[in-house]
Amino acid sequence: NAGVTQTPKFQVLKTGQSMTLQCAQDMNHEYMSWYRQDPGMGLRLIHYSVGAGITDQGEVPNGYNVSRSTTEDFPLRLLSAAPSQTSVYFCASSYSGGADTFGSGTRLTVV
Amino acid sequence: GIQVEQSPPDLILQEGANSTLRCNFSDSVNNLQWFHQNPWGQLINLFYIPSGTKQNGRLSATTVATERYSLLYISSSQTTDSGVYFCAVYGSNYKLTFGKGTLLTVNP
Repeated sequence: NAGVTQTPKFQVLKTGQSMTLQCAQDMNHEYMSWYRQDPGMGLRLIHYSVGAGITDQGEVPNGYNVSRSTTEDFPLRLLSAAPSQTSVYFCASSYSGGADTFGSGTRLTVV
Repeated sequence: GIQVEQSPPDLILQEGANSTLRCNFSDSVNNLQWFHQNPWGQLINLFYIPSGTKQNGRLSATTVATERYSLLYISSSQTTDSGVYFCAVYGSNYKLTFGKGTLLTVNP
């Protein structure tokens, strides 16, 4: 089992560019979620999904979009990157709420 | 939303020592988790523990839901225990809220 696969691992964007962070899991988990981790802030929930076709906002959703067309995939889209979105991003999945398994993270820098 | 406070923010131990990490939360929750983030950034789920006590090797956790706190015990600490320990909670809306973590350093 691959678990949760996040790509890319590193990314540098210019202000105003858009991009998609990919997240895929092969454990048939219903619940998937995206977090950002900033120094001294812990992890903060961006968006989450309780199943295919169902998504909801977390604590810090502004500037990000998500969709869940399949159980396996939960991509995170940055619409117009800003320096404030420089962070480490983690995707996670679980059978029924919370976070069982995390991806290895994406370190994003917006210049 | 639910507030999660962890203490202490930093802890330095010698190998072999025991430690207790605390997590306070501001409202009733459906579940509580403890995580370990190693120095390379990987996050590992340690426990789901909405109430009661669980043990896994040298780690154990206790949650007293009625008093809104949880404790993580690490016994006979090893250098590989170093990293950040996070507590997180969620209610009926499944929104996971994290504390800011406890940075544990175990010296040989």
